[in-house]
Amino acid sequence: GAVVSQHPSWVICKSGTSVKIECRSLDFQATTMFWYRQFPKQSLMLMATSNEGSKATYEQGVEKDKFLINHASLTLSTLTVTSAHPEDSSFYICSASFEDSSYEQYFGPGTRLTVT
Amino acid sequence: KQEVTQIPAALSVPEGENLVLNCSFTDSAIYNLQWFRQDPGKGLTSLLLIQSSQREQTSGRLNASLDKSSGRSTLYIAASQPGDSATYLCAVRAGGGADGLTFGKGTHLIIQP
Repeated sequence: GAVVSQHPSWVICKSGTSVKIECRSLDFQATTMFWYRQFPKQSLMLMATSNEGSKATYEQGVEKDKFLINHASLTLSTLTVTSAHPEDSSFYICSASFEDSSYEQYFGPGTRLTVT
Repeated sequence: KQEVTQIPAALSVPEGENLVLNCSFTDSAIYNLQWFRQDPGKGLTSLLLIQSSQREQTSGRLNASLDKSSGRSTLYIAASQPGDSATYLCAVRAGGGADGLTFGKGTHLIIQP
């Protein structure tokens, strides 16, 4: 149980375009979803936290107009990287949690974004 | 601001050895601590979660301890196997509910056959 999926698993896009990444909880309803970013040989850094039906809370230094997060339902959150640039190339990982799990976070497999 | 440090950054040992990975965090006011495994280019696999009120958790050959007051956790791996080769990440959660995790940079572990 507690499976989280992400789509796509990898994507290549041209500079200036926008890319949408989906995060789904497959067998539970997620109270909260989180988005992390991981640069090569670095650790994961929290970007934002989202709750269904409300605006996401962004960490300091993360541009909310560049990284648009929509949490439309209890099983789906999307991250849209707008006007992507090569420096946005990274590994993006989402996680989801629910109350009964003592808020343990369950992670998706990640999305590798390469901006050319 | 919470900071998580993992030592060593990398470790290479022969198969069969018992080993200890260390994690320290600067703010002892945590809700829980998790150990994860990450294979190259992959997502995270949760290994053990320790609530702030607990001292240790065990799963198979893995044992994780938590000393919240001193800001330390250790992951003990018994009888290591080549399949244990991966990066091991330690992460802490400040509060319940909607708090995200603060991760260390990980320990890159190689088990030599």
